[in-house]
Amino acid sequence: DIQMTQSPSSLSASVGDTVTITCRASRGISNYLAWFQQTPGQAPKSLIYDASSLQSGVPSKFSGSGSGTDFTLTIRSLQPEDFATYYCQQYDSYPWTFGQGTKVDIK
Amino acid sequence: VQLQESGPGLVKPSETLSLSCSVSGGSMRSFYWSWVRQTAGKGLEWLGRIYTDHTTNYNPSLESRVSMSVDTYKSQISLKLFSVTAADTAVYYCVRGEIQMQGKWYFDLWGRGTLVIVSS
Repeated sequence: DIQMTQSPSSLSASVGDTVTITCRASRGISNYLAWFQQTPGQAPKSLIYDASSLQSGVPSKFSGSGSGTDFTLTIRSLQPEDFATYYCQQYDSYPWTFGQGTKVDIK
Repeated sequence: VQLQESGPGLVKPSETLSLSCSVSGGSMRSFYWSWVRQTAGKGLEWLGRIYTDHTTNYNPSLESRVSMSVDTYKSQISLKLFSVTAADTAVYYCVRGEIQMQGKWYFDLWGRGTLVIVSS
């Protein structure tokens, strides 16, 4: 199985900040990487696919980049609704696997 | 399009967990349909996927205990997980997969999830 490792596991930020989350795959996955946002008690929400393409309706403050083994999710101008846990997930080869999550909370 | 999971919230150890996912507001065709579960200990885990032609791929870690089916007339997919233990206690999500031209596919829509507790 491909292991997905996110860093950091958690971070604290203020409203208006820009944050970056990193995801590393244990082997190359081309650009077959997705990002999800999950707030407490809610289902994950799809944000990004193909490493950098935004899902319909997702604001452009979210951006993704990377290819191969190293990927990033950047969130600009954090707002209260952005404080959540973010997960990466690879869909290059079965079984699909997820990162352990990065919790973004308010400083 | 909305996905709604349903099924017993409590299952006894060694019994079978059975869940359904109802798809409303759109067609099931041309999408893959998956089950993903979430536990505090293991995080998010993909269980498998099914297509409307009934073909499946399962996570090898669960392959001997999992079965998925689809009923396009009822717009439902189903999950069965056999011989459950406490480790199968989780929130179970039904998830739609968008298929790309080159055959790759990615999650685009999640149900709200349903909590299943395995306990006697």
